[in-house]
Amino acid sequence: GDSVTQMEGPVTLSEEAFLTINCTYTATGYPSLFWYVQYPGEGLQLLLKATKADDKGSNKGFEATYRKETTSFHLEKGSVQVSDSAVYFCAPLSGGSNYKLTFGKGTLLTVNP
Amino acid sequence: NAGVTQTPKFQVLKTGQSMTLQCAQDMNHNSMYWYRQDPGMGLRLIYYSASEGTTDKGEVPNGYNVSRLNKREFSLRLESAAPSQTSVYFCASSLRTGGNEQFFGPGTRLTVL
Repeated sequence: GDSVTQMEGPVTLSEEAFLTINCTYTATGYPSLFWYVQYPGEGLQLLLKATKADDKGSNKGFEATYRKETTSFHLEKGSVQVSDSAVYFCAPLSGGSNYKLTFGKGTLLTVNP
Repeated sequence: NAGVTQTPKFQVLKTGQSMTLQCAQDMNHNSMYWYRQDPGMGLRLIYYSASEGTTDKGEVPNGYNVSRLNKREFSLRLESAAPSQTSVYFCASSLRTGGNEQFFGPGTRLTVL
């Protein structure tokens, strides 16, 4: 099945700092790749996705590029805000996992004013 | 649209008690999922239903049963609760399995004493 290694948290940044959360995966064939975000006390919601190599997913100022050669899908944002404080999950989806999401352990981001 | 709804939001059980967690979606999705979230473990799939009338085991099915009551509703039952089942439970749905976005409910926080 698929597997994910995500950057260990917690990550603490000041407002307007640059964010990178690393994610590498192991999956069969050509997986789709997702980043989900969980705000305090809520369920997960899709942040962005990419479905093929070299695709860039983007949403709310966040970006991630599907790098098949390095099996990575790192999440970046140029200038974080306090409202970005949340837990971020990387998740591949492929036939190797019978087309079910495999979540990383999550990275807690805290942004201070 | 309410999206994915879950009841109850919180529950405390004693060891050996039983209970059913309810989940409903109003997006006409075919596939539904139950996950548990434990600190440092990410989300792990308990059971899923690819379509009405079918259910399959996920990564951690022991101690749980599910029922896909109709296209809208997917319940999770704990027959004899154990402290190891203390967790936050999330229901999710998607148009179908595969590369589709999953939509999550707000979660049920369960404590087993």
